[in-house]
Amino acid sequence: ETGVTQTPRHLVMGMTNKKSLKCEQHLGHNAMYWYKQSAKKPLELMFVYSLEERVENNSVPSRFSPECPNSSHLFLHLHTLQPEDSALYLCASSQEVQRGGHEQFFGPGTRLTVL
Amino acid sequence: GQNIDQPTEMTATEGAIVQINCTYQTSGFNGLFWYQQHAGEAPTFLSYNVLDGLEEKGRFSSFLSRSKGYSYLLLKELQMKDSASYLCALTTDSWGKLQFGAGTQVVVTP
Repeated sequence: ETGVTQTPRHLVMGMTNKKSLKCEQHLGHNAMYWYKQSAKKPLELMFVYSLEERVENNSVPSRFSPECPNSSHLFLHLHTLQPEDSALYLCASSQEVQRGGHEQFFGPGTRLTVL
Repeated sequence: GQNIDQPTEMTATEGAIVQINCTYQTSGFNGLFWYQQHAGEAPTFLSYNVLDGLEEKGRFSSFLSRSKGYSYLLLKELQMKDSASYLCALTTDSWGKLQFGAGTQVVVTP
């Protein structure tokens, strides 16, 4: 148990659906992250939030929309996705984003399949 | 941008030692991490190096040479449970952004 939970663990959606991924961290951290992990590819950073403010959007298409209502919760809203968006979506948190030396704790991920 | 290279797969026998190399090219550097990821599970933190040298933590050690753009993760006394993907990751700024390599799949055989 890493202290970072994600729901749902598996999601199948059509290209016209709207769905949301949820992440919650119970570690008292103040930074949260979304990553995408596709088969045979490196983990790709999508978004970084520090103290509920977005500090990084790594050229992610607008069909992915993050939301961070407080330091413990992070959402990824999905709409009109493409089949190539099928991947494992991982959430992570860290204690202090400044100075970059703090390990990130990952959640178990949501396995997304877009039909 | 960054370029991070690590071997795709390595095989070793139980009880042996395996060294996973990671080379990188980057315009800035603020630390190098190693993570372990078992199939279907979340990555878990193994080590962090920001200064040159060796960091030892039990059976695992990590080495960094910033001038050479090189790191390695050393796994000693291999156990079957060490079969996993090992991810090398760089952070180049103060915002904790991690850039990952593709990972090295280590297979431990009896």
